[in-house]
Parts: sequence; structure tokens; C-alpha cells
Amino acid sequence: GENVEQHPSTLSVQEGDSAVIKCTYSDSASNYFPWYKQELGKRPQLIIDIRSNVGEKKDQRIAVTLNKTAKHFSLHITETQPEDSAVYFCAAGPSGAGSYQLTFGKGTKLSVIP
Amino acid sequence: DAGVIQSPRHEVTEMGQEVTLRCKPISGHNSLFWYRQTMMRGLELLIYFNNNVPIDDSGMPEDRFSAKMPNASFSTLKIQPSEPRDSAVYFCASRPQGDTQYFGPGTRLTVL
Repeated sequence: GENVEQHPSTLSVQEGDSAVIKCTYSDSASNYFPWYKQELGKRPQLIIDIRSNVGEKKDQRIAVTLNKTAKHFSLHITETQPEDSAVYFCAAGPSGAGSYQLTFGKGTKLSVIP
Repeated sequence: DAGVIQSPRHEVTEMGQEVTLRCKPISGHNSLFWYRQTMMRGLELLIYFNNNVPIDDSGMPEDRFSAKMPNASFSTLKIQPSEPRDSAVYFCASRPQGDTQYFGPGTRLTVL
């Protein structure tokens, strides 16, 4: 089965700096890579996702990059703000009809220091 | 839309008691997932339903766990008898056609 490793487990940055979270996966059949943000006591919420037919995707201050050859993908948050403080999870799995299995990383606790 | 609804939000019970967690998926979503989240193991898929039919229950820890989806708008996860190691946050998620899963607010279960 799929195995997803996520680093670092904790990350502290100054407000305004950038934050980068990295994930590696093992199954070359995976082609869907979502990122979820979970605030304390709240539900995980999708913030961005990428599929294997693209190498990079941006949404305002958030970007995700994917290297299928190396089997790793990363989340980049620029100009961090205190409200970005949360636990971020990466996940990997197949995409398309009949697909459902998402394997999640263990999470990264991001703290943005004002 | 209210999103995925779960109840109760918090449950405290004693070892040996039966626990039932409930989930109402988003209307129109045909896939439903139950996950368990712990510090040690992260988010683990317990069971996956498609069109109310259980497709993959390989993540259900043992026979003490069971899940049902009697119709498109309701699912339950039952633990009987409960044990302290079952203490975790249990999430339900639903999905329309496509890949994105939408999570409910979770049920925090504490078994004493």
C-alpha cells in the first residue's frame, strides 16, 4: 500500500516569512495529492490539491509543487499570517472512477509568530 | 448547505459500554468515509461506502467495530464493547463524483 512521510512535524516561522512543508509517497500509481488544514478542534479542510498531470499549482499565497519522478510534493505558504497557524496534512492516492483510498501524512503543526 | 454533520461532538463513556457515532453526509454525495485520528497513528481510514454499500472495511480494527449506511443521508459507526484504546477523534467525510473529500466536525470519544 501507499506510505506517506511528512516533514517537518513542527514548524515555527515569523509572520511574513514563508513556510514549506514536504511530503514523500511510495506508490507510483498515486496521482492525486490534496493538502488539508486543520485548526485546533476543527475539521480538516481542503486548501489546495494537485494532480499528476501538472507540476505546480497556485492559489493566492499558497502553492503546491509535485515531482513525480522523485515521488515528492511540497506545500509553500508565502507571507504567512497568524491565521495560518494550524496543522497541515498532505495525502496521496489514486484519482478517477472507482478510486477512494487516500493515505495521509502525520501532519505538520505550523506556528506563525506575530 | 450545512456540510457534513456528526453527532455527538463529544462522548465520554466507560469501558465495556456501547458507543454509536452518527453522520449525515452532504446531500448528493455518493461516497462516505469513516476515519479515526490519533496522535500516534494520524488519520486512518476505517471504512468506505459507495452508494450506501460498504466497499472497503479493511481498516476496521476488529469485530468490536461495525458501520452501517441504511440510506444515502445517514451512517453510523458502532463500537461494542468500547475500550480505552478506542479513545480518538472519529471523522466522517463525504465525497461527490470526483476526488475531494469533505470532512465533518468529528466526534471526540473518550473511553474511561
